[in-house]
Amino acid sequence: DQQVKQNSPSLSVQEGRISILNCDYTNSMFDYFLWYKKYPAEGPTFLISISSIKDKNEDGRFTVFLNKSAKHLSLHIVPSQPGDSAVYFCAASGGSNYKLTFGKGTLLTVNP
Amino acid sequence: GAVVSQHPSRVICKSGTSVKIECRSLDFQATTMFWYRQFPKQSLMLMATSNEGSKATYEQGVEKDKFLINHASLTLSTLTVTSAHPEDSSFYICSATELGYEQYFGPGTRLTVT
Repeated sequence: DQQVKQNSPSLSVQEGRISILNCDYTNSMFDYFLWYKKYPAEGPTFLISISSIKDKNEDGRFTVFLNKSAKHLSLHIVPSQPGDSAVYFCAASGGSNYKLTFGKGTLLTVNP
Repeated sequence: GAVVSQHPSRVICKSGTSVKIECRSLDFQATTMFWYRQFPKQSLMLMATSNEGSKATYEQGVEKDKFLINHASLTLSTLTVTSAHPEDSSFYICSATELGYEQYFGPGTRLTVT
C-alpha cells in the first residue's frame, strides 16, 4: 500500500508559468514533508520542506502548501524555468527514526 | 554544505562476485545514513538505515546477509552486495542526515551484474 502518492507521472508547463506538483499521503503519523528534485542517474537534491505545524513554506520560487485535513501537499514553482525540468519526489516522515517514504515522482518539463 | 559523495559512480561486476559501495558525508557528521535502491521509473525504495557504531536496520524483504552495511564512522558507510546476481543490477543511492529530517543524497552508484 502506497503511503505517499503522486498521481501525476508527468506535467508539462510553459516557461514563466506556474508549475503545481501534487502529493497525497495516507499515514496520519507523518509530520514532516519534503520535496526533492532528481535528474537521471543522479541522487535527489533537497528543495524545500514543511512541518505539519505549518501550512505554507516559501523559499524563493518554491512554495510548499500543506493541507493536513485533506492529507495533501503541493509544490508551486513560479516562474517556471527550463532548468526546473526534472523528476520531483514528494517524501514524508514521522517519528524519531527520520525514515522517509517517497512517492513515485512527477516528471516536470518546462518548455521554452 | 551538506555534501554526500558515493564511490564508485558506476561498477560492472561478474555474477557471484561482491561489490562494495562507499558513502561519505564530506562536510558534516552523519548520525544516520540510509541506503536506497531505485529501479527505472520507480520511486526510491529504502533498503536499510544505519547508525554509526551499531547494526543496520533493514527494511522488510531486504536480505541482510546479501546487502552488508557497515557504518564505521560518522562520515562513512559502506554497502557490500555479496554474491551479486543480475537481478541486483540497479541504481543504489545513499543519504545522510545530521540531525533532523532533511536527508542529503549522494550521486548514486549504477551497478551492473553480468
